[in-house]
Amino acid sequence: EVQLLESGGGLVQPGGSLRLSCTASGFTSSNYAMNWVRQAPGKGLEWVSVISGSGDSTYYAGTVKGRFTISRDNSKNTLYLQMNSLRAEDTAVYYCAKSSYDFWSGYYTFNNWGQGTLVTVSS
Amino acid sequence: QSALTQPRSVSGSPGQSVTISCTGTSTDVGGYNYVSWYQQHPGKAPKLIIYDVIKRPSGVPDRFSGSKSGNTASLTISGLQAEDEADYYCCSYAGNYTAVFGGGSQLTVL
Repeated sequence: EVQLLESGGGLVQPGGSLRLSCTASGFTSSNYAMNWVRQAPGKGLEWVSVISGSGDSTYYAGTVKGRFTISRDNSKNTLYLQMNSLRAEDTAVYYCAKSSYDFWSGYYTFNNWGQGTLVTVSS
Repeated sequence: QSALTQPRSVSGSPGQSVTISCTGTSTDVGGYNYVSWYQQHPGKAPKLIIYDVIKRPSGVPDRFSGSKSGNTASLTISGLQAEDEADYYCCSYAGNYTAVFGGGSQLTVL
């Protein structure tokens, strides 16, 4: 059974940094691209970033490009999101999501989701 | 990238059918057959129910179906059940290795 468990959320001041983690189990992580998707309180879903199975390719939404960095350690079955220069509008529940397969056409079908971790950016 | 347009709310009675639309442009929904749909119950993570416009993951009832015409994708739920009451989101590949979601539709089963 695929399981994804996010951690690392919390309260951070504007301009601060935070690193999220997502530990995966139940599948061979290097065979699948992985994503971060966020949801602001009471709002809709927003795709944030994707990383290929090998970690060689990364892509970002315009709203976070240059501030967030996605990475992965397949030896630890763990996905990361380094978030810098955080803004109030980054406040959201952050979900990690497993892609359908490890090719661009499958990147953006999110087969499995974690339960999310809440990031609050406030002074 | 602007969010795809969905109706904010839809409703139907048990046993009826409802259709949720998802309108984009030729650079996202209209340009690729990579539209997916997600069901989200309150306080829960989203769940994939349709992918590649029309495909259903194993375990998803065949009451759920997807389609697309031009720049608009649609999710149809037939034989509505109480447990179908949830928020529904569409998502499309939007070019340049990015994706865009719809604003979400709240389904009420009357």
